[in-house]
Amino acid sequence: AQSVTQLGSHVSVSEGALVLLRCNYSSSVPPYLFWYVQYPNQGLQLLLKYTTGATLVKGINGFEAEFKKSETSFHLTKPSAHMSDAAEYFCAVSSNFGNEKLTFGTGTRLTIIP
Amino acid sequence: DSGVTQTPKHLITATGQRVTLRCSPRSGDLSVYWYQQSLDQGLQFLIQYYNGEERAKGNILERFSAQQFPDLHSELNLSSLELGDSALYFCASNKGQNYGYTFGSGTRLTVV
Repeated sequence: AQSVTQLGSHVSVSEGALVLLRCNYSSSVPPYLFWYVQYPNQGLQLLLKYTTGATLVKGINGFEAEFKKSETSFHLTKPSAHMSDAAEYFCAVSSNFGNEKLTFGTGTRLTIIP
Repeated sequence: DSGVTQTPKHLITATGQRVTLRCSPRSGDLSVYWYQQSLDQGLQFLIQYYNGEERAKGNILERFSAQQFPDLHSELNLSSLELGDSALYFCASNKGQNYGYTFGSGTRLTVV
Protein backbone atom coordinates (compact mmCIF):
# COMPACT_ATOMS: atom_id res chain seq x y z
CA ALA A 1 0.00 0.00 0.00
CA GLN A 2 1.13 3.51 -0.66
CA SER A 3 0.53 6.68 1.25
CA VAL A 4 1.49 10.32 1.27
CA THR A 5 1.86 12.64 4.23
CA GLN A 6 1.81 16.37 3.76
CA LEU A 7 3.09 18.22 6.80
CA GLY A 8 1.19 21.39 7.45
CA SER A 9 -2.38 21.76 6.26
CA HIS A 10 -1.87 25.53 6.08
CA VAL A 11 1.28 27.42 5.15
CA SER A 12 1.61 31.19 4.97
CA VAL A 13 4.54 32.98 3.39
CA SER A 14 5.23 36.57 2.50
CA GLU A 15 5.29 37.64 -1.12
CA GLY A 16 8.83 37.18 -2.40
CA ALA A 17 9.76 34.65 0.28
CA LEU A 18 10.70 31.02 -0.21
CA VAL A 19 7.87 28.55 -0.52
CA LEU A 20 8.46 25.10 0.97
CA LEU A 21 5.68 22.52 1.03
CA ARG A 22 6.55 19.18 2.55
CA CYS A 23 5.64 15.74 1.29
CA ASN A 24 6.74 12.36 2.56
CA TYR A 25 5.68 9.13 0.94
CA SER A 26 5.49 5.48 1.78
CA SER A 27 5.80 2.91 -0.98
CA SER A 28 6.95 -0.68 -1.20
CA VAL A 29 8.03 -0.21 -4.81
CA PRO A 30 9.84 2.62 -6.57
CA PRO A 31 7.38 5.47 -6.50
CA TYR A 32 6.17 7.88 -9.10
CA LEU A 33 5.54 11.22 -7.43
CA PHE A 34 3.44 14.20 -8.40
CA TRP A 35 2.51 17.66 -7.22
CA TYR A 36 -0.83 19.12 -8.23
CA VAL A 37 -2.28 22.57 -7.61
CA GLN A 38 -5.95 23.37 -7.16
CA TYR A 39 -7.21 26.92 -7.44
CA PRO A 40 -10.62 27.75 -5.95
CA ASN A 41 -13.50 26.14 -7.81
CA GLN A 42 -11.17 24.52 -10.30
CA GLY A 43 -9.77 21.09 -11.02
CA LEU A 44 -6.31 19.73 -10.37
CA GLN A 45 -3.44 20.99 -12.48
CA LEU A 46 -0.15 19.13 -12.67
CA LEU A 47 2.80 21.17 -11.41
CA LEU A 48 5.50 18.55 -11.85
CA LYS A 49 6.21 14.86 -11.66
CA TYR A 50 9.05 12.50 -10.86
CA THR A 51 9.11 9.25 -12.80
CA THR A 52 12.72 8.19 -13.33
CA GLY A 53 16.06 9.86 -13.90
CA ALA A 54 17.03 13.23 -12.48
CA THR A 55 15.92 13.63 -8.90
CA LEU A 56 15.50 17.41 -9.14
CA VAL A 57 12.37 18.06 -11.11
CA LYS A 58 11.37 21.43 -12.49
CA GLY A 59 7.75 22.25 -13.07
CA ILE A 60 5.54 25.07 -14.15
CA ASN A 61 5.29 28.51 -12.55
CA GLY A 62 8.82 28.32 -11.15
CA PHE A 63 8.19 25.36 -8.84
CA GLU A 64 10.59 22.49 -8.38
CA ALA A 65 10.83 19.40 -6.22
CA GLU A 66 13.57 17.01 -5.25
CA PHE A 67 13.11 13.27 -4.86
CA LYS A 68 15.12 12.03 -1.89
CA LYS A 69 14.85 8.29 -1.58
CA SER A 70 16.80 8.11 1.69
CA GLU A 71 14.37 10.54 3.29
CA THR A 72 11.28 9.29 1.41
CA SER A 73 10.53 12.91 0.62
CA PHE A 74 9.43 14.97 -2.35
CA HIS A 75 9.23 18.54 -1.05
CA LEU A 76 7.98 21.33 -3.30
CA THR A 77 9.84 24.64 -3.40
CA LYS A 78 9.70 27.99 -5.14
CA PRO A 79 12.37 30.63 -4.49
CA SER A 80 10.06 33.64 -4.51
CA ALA A 81 6.35 33.48 -3.76
CA HIS A 82 3.87 35.39 -5.87
CA MET A 83 0.34 36.34 -4.94
CA SER A 84 -0.95 34.09 -7.72
CA ASP A 85 0.57 31.06 -5.96
CA ALA A 86 -2.18 31.12 -3.36
CA ALA A 87 -3.96 27.79 -3.81
CA GLU A 88 -4.17 24.27 -2.42
CA TYR A 89 -1.33 21.91 -3.23
CA PHE A 90 -1.54 18.14 -3.31
CA CYS A 91 1.27 15.62 -3.34
CA ALA A 92 0.44 12.24 -4.88
CA VAL A 93 2.10 8.87 -5.41
CA SER A 94 1.57 6.00 -7.81
CA SER A 95 3.35 2.68 -8.13
CA ASN A 96 2.74 2.34 -11.85
CA PHE A 97 2.92 5.55 -13.80
CA GLY A 98 -0.09 6.01 -15.98
CA ASN A 99 -1.49 2.59 -15.29
CA GLU A 100 -2.76 2.97 -11.78
CA LYS A 101 -4.56 5.37 -9.51
CA LEU A 102 -2.95 8.27 -7.72
CA THR A 103 -2.93 8.28 -3.94
CA PHE A 104 -3.15 11.83 -2.67
CA GLY A 105 -2.04 13.57 0.47
CA THR A 106 -4.46 15.68 2.44
CA GLY A 107 -3.31 18.89 0.81
CA THR A 108 -1.62 22.10 1.94
CA ARG A 109 -3.35 25.43 1.60
CA LEU A 110 -0.81 28.11 0.70
CA THR A 111 -1.56 31.69 1.64
CA ILE A 112 0.61 34.54 0.38
CA ILE A 113 0.92 37.59 2.61
CA PRO A 114 1.30 40.86 0.70
CA ASP B 1 -9.62 23.80 -20.72
CA SER B 2 -7.91 20.52 -19.80
CA GLY B 3 -9.73 18.50 -22.45
CA VAL B 4 -11.57 16.42 -19.86
CA THR B 5 -15.20 17.49 -19.69
CA GLN B 6 -17.41 16.86 -16.70
CA THR B 7 -21.11 17.59 -16.56
CA PRO B 8 -22.96 18.97 -14.79
CA LYS B 9 -20.70 21.41 -12.96
CA HIS B 10 -23.10 21.72 -10.05
CA LEU B 11 -25.86 19.47 -8.82
CA ILE B 12 -28.19 19.94 -5.88
CA THR B 13 -30.45 17.07 -4.96
CA ALA B 14 -32.34 15.65 -2.01
CA THR B 15 -31.45 12.73 0.20
CA GLY B 16 -32.55 9.39 -1.17
CA GLN B 17 -32.32 10.51 -4.79
CA ARG B 18 -30.15 9.16 -7.61
CA VAL B 19 -27.85 11.20 -9.85
CA THR B 20 -25.56 10.53 -12.78
CA LEU B 21 -22.29 12.36 -13.32
CA ARG B 22 -20.71 12.33 -16.74
CA CYS B 23 -17.10 12.47 -17.84
CA SER B 24 -15.77 12.79 -21.37
CA PRO B 25 -12.05 12.01 -21.47
CA ARG B 26 -9.47 13.71 -23.62
CA SER B 27 -9.43 12.51 -27.19
CA GLY B 28 -7.48 9.28 -27.41
CA ASP B 29 -7.39 8.62 -23.66
CA LEU B 30 -8.49 5.09 -22.82
CA SER B 31 -8.44 5.26 -19.02
CA VAL B 32 -10.89 7.11 -16.81
CA TYR B 33 -10.46 7.50 -13.06
CA TRP B 34 -13.09 8.81 -10.65
CA TYR B 35 -12.20 10.59 -7.42
CA GLN B 36 -14.24 12.05 -4.60
CA GLN B 37 -13.00 15.16 -2.79
CA SER B 38 -14.61 15.97 0.53
CA LEU B 39 -13.53 18.05 3.50
CA ASP B 40 -13.24 15.13 5.86
CA GLN B 41 -11.88 12.44 3.51
CA GLY B 42 -9.74 14.47 1.15
CA LEU B 43 -9.20 13.11 -2.37
CA GLN B 44 -10.26 9.48 -2.50
CA PHE B 45 -9.95 7.18 -5.49
CA LEU B 46 -13.25 5.55 -6.41
CA ILE B 47 -12.83 3.51 -9.56
CA GLN B 48 -10.85 3.15 -12.79
CA TYR B 49 -11.96 2.03 -16.22
CA TYR B 50 -9.72 1.17 -19.14
CA ASN B 51 -11.20 0.86 -22.62
CA GLY B 52 -14.59 -0.09 -21.29
CA GLU B 53 -13.46 -2.53 -18.62
CA GLU B 54 -13.28 -1.97 -14.90
CA ARG B 55 -9.62 -2.08 -13.91
CA ALA B 56 -9.44 -1.05 -10.27
CA LYS B 57 -11.76 -0.24 -7.41
CA GLY B 58 -11.05 1.99 -4.47
CA ASN B 59 -13.23 3.25 -1.66
CA ILE B 60 -16.42 3.16 -3.67
CA LEU B 61 -19.67 2.57 -1.82
CA GLU B 62 -22.07 -0.12 -2.96
CA ARG B 63 -24.62 2.63 -3.62
CA PHE B 64 -22.26 3.99 -6.27
CA SER B 65 -21.59 2.44 -9.65
CA ALA B 66 -19.83 3.45 -12.82
CA GLN B 67 -19.37 2.39 -16.39
CA GLN B 68 -17.40 3.35 -19.44
CA PHE B 69 -19.13 3.32 -22.78
CA PRO B 70 -17.80 2.34 -26.24
CA ASP B 71 -17.15 6.00 -27.06
CA LEU B 72 -15.01 6.03 -23.87
CA HIS B 73 -17.10 8.50 -21.92
CA SER B 74 -17.86 7.41 -18.39
CA GLU B 75 -20.75 7.85 -16.01
CA LEU B 76 -20.75 7.66 -12.24
CA ASN B 77 -24.11 6.76 -10.75
CA LEU B 78 -24.81 7.67 -7.14
CA SER B 79 -28.00 6.35 -5.56
CA SER B 80 -29.82 6.55 -2.23
CA LEU B 81 -27.92 9.75 -1.64
CA GLU B 82 -27.00 10.82 1.86
CA LEU B 83 -25.87 14.17 3.20
CA GLY B 84 -22.37 12.78 3.51
CA ASP B 85 -22.16 12.20 -0.23
CA SER B 86 -21.91 15.95 -0.75
CA ALA B 87 -18.52 16.42 -2.35
CA LEU B 88 -16.61 17.40 -5.43
CA TYR B 89 -16.34 14.50 -7.87
CA PHE B 90 -13.46 14.54 -10.29
CA CYS B 91 -12.64 12.42 -13.21
CA ALA B 92 -9.21 12.10 -14.77
CA SER B 93 -8.13 10.46 -17.98
CA ASN B 94 -4.96 9.22 -19.61
CA LYS B 95 -3.76 7.03 -22.44
CA GLY B 96 -2.33 4.36 -20.19
CA GLN B 97 1.08 3.37 -18.92
CA ASN B 98 3.72 6.10 -18.89
CA TYR B 99 1.21 8.79 -19.71
CA GLY B 100 0.21 11.58 -17.36
CA TYR B 101 -3.22 12.14 -15.90
CA THR B 102 -5.47 15.03 -16.88
CA PHE B 103 -8.23 16.11 -14.52
CA GLY B 104 -11.57 17.62 -15.30
CA SER B 105 -12.91 20.59 -13.37
CA GLY B 106 -15.25 18.43 -11.33
CA THR B 107 -18.91 18.16 -10.46
CA ARG B 108 -19.93 19.68 -7.16
CA LEU B 109 -22.70 17.59 -5.64
CA THR B 110 -24.76 19.00 -2.80
CA VAL B 111 -27.22 16.70 -1.08
CA VAL B 112 -29.85 18.51 1.00
